[in-house]
Amino acid sequence: EIVMTQSPATLSMSPGERATLSCRASQSVSSNLAWYQQKPGQSPRLLIYGASTRATGIPARFSGSGSGTEFTLTITSLQSEDFAVYYCQQYIYWPLTFGGGTKVEIK
Amino acid sequence: EVQLVESGGGLVQPGRSLRLSCAASGFIFDDFVMHWVRQVPGKGLEWVAGISWNGGSVGYADSVKGRFSISRENAKNSLFLQMDNLRPDDTAFYFCAKDNDQGVFDMWGQGTMVSVSS
Repeated sequence: EIVMTQSPATLSMSPGERATLSCRASQSVSSNLAWYQQKPGQSPRLLIYGASTRATGIPARFSGSGSGTEFTLTITSLQSEDFAVYYCQQYIYWPLTFGGGTKVEIK
Repeated sequence: EVQLVESGGGLVQPGRSLRLSCAASGFIFDDFVMHWVRQVPGKGLEWVAGISWNGGSVGYADSVKGRFSISRENAKNSLFLQMDNLRPDDTAFYFCAKDNDQGVFDMWGQGTMVSVSS
């Protein structure tokens, strides 16, 4: 099983700031990496797949990068609606696995 | 509009069974792999099981293998999760999720809560 590790666990940011979230895989997943956003009381929403491709309707302030074992989700100029928990997920092999999540909270 | 609606959750005693259902609409159901993902309240996401478009290929997390069974009925645009020998650590929200055919969950239901307790 591929273990996904996200850091930091919590990110305290102010609106308008740039947020950088990290995800590491225990072995190479190539570019088979997705990012999801989850707000309290809601289902997760797909943000990024293929490590860097934004899903339909996702604003351009969200960007993904990386390949192999190291990945980054960047949110430029945080908006109030961006404060949420973010998960990475590998899909190169089953079992599909998620990272533990990064909570982006208001500072 | 693509929609996934789960049902069948509830409170059940350890060792008992429960069957979850997911009704899909707004897309050609039998074109896509489907999954169940669960989340303990306040915790992270865990993939539970997945099934190919025709049900011919299935996969399970080690934590549920031998106890849970995923199935689908394409004629009724429905996905199921049969959960047997339930344990307290199966307590979670269970989400139905559509696969974009690459292993990415591009649409999620609202979830149904399963509580396992005596």
